[in-house]
Amino acid sequence: AQSVTQLGSHVSVSEGALVLLRCNYSSSVPPYLFWYVQYPNQGLQLLLKYTSAATLVKGINGFEAEFKKSETSFHLTKPSAHMSDAAEYFCAVSSPRINTGKLIFGQGTTLQVKP
Amino acid sequence: DTAVSQTPKYLVTQMGNDKSIKCEQNLGHDTMYWYKQDSKKFLKIMFSYNNKELIINETVPNRFSPKSPDKAHLNLHINSLELGDSAVYFCASSQEVGNTEAFFGQGTRLTVV
Repeated sequence: AQSVTQLGSHVSVSEGALVLLRCNYSSSVPPYLFWYVQYPNQGLQLLLKYTSAATLVKGINGFEAEFKKSETSFHLTKPSAHMSDAAEYFCAVSSPRINTGKLIFGQGTTLQVKP
Repeated sequence: DTAVSQTPKYLVTQMGNDKSIKCEQNLGHDTMYWYKQDSKKFLKIMFSYNNKELIINETVPNRFSPKSPDKAHLNLHINSLELGDSAVYFCASSQEVGNTEAFFGQGTRLTVV
């Protein structure tokens, strides 16, 4: 069975500081991994995805994530936080072998950006 | 221009009522989904349809019945609403089953009173 754990339900950074949101996954097969962002009262928007190509994945809005198989991690980073980055962030996993399109989400991390 | 649109955006109803949420996508995708987000913001898949065929039915009460009249639409009908059904329901679509880059609608906030 697959699962996702996001460490830290709430992360607070200062504007201009490094953003690091942690995600660890469990999967018996090579997974696909995703980061989605949800702004208040909005749907989810894909930030980036890992689908077994390059382990360092670049996404929109300056975010990137690195797939580390040995650590079963897919942490999301951004060098310099902007006020507009304040949102809820979700890590998700799916299985290309099961092939149903089902996404399994982590619990979410609320990112607060202080001026 | 909206890729995945849901109606209504807000729905307040009494216990025991029956209600429907509609979803349409104009992306030409083959696969559509319903996800439920609870009060703690946890997201879980409910259903998935591929070309109008049901492919995922997670352990959802049979009071919930999805209907896909064509591959651009996936509606969710809920009978005998309960307090615990209060949540935000998201519709999503993806190009095909194996391509799990999902595009989400804005969500429908259902409140059962």
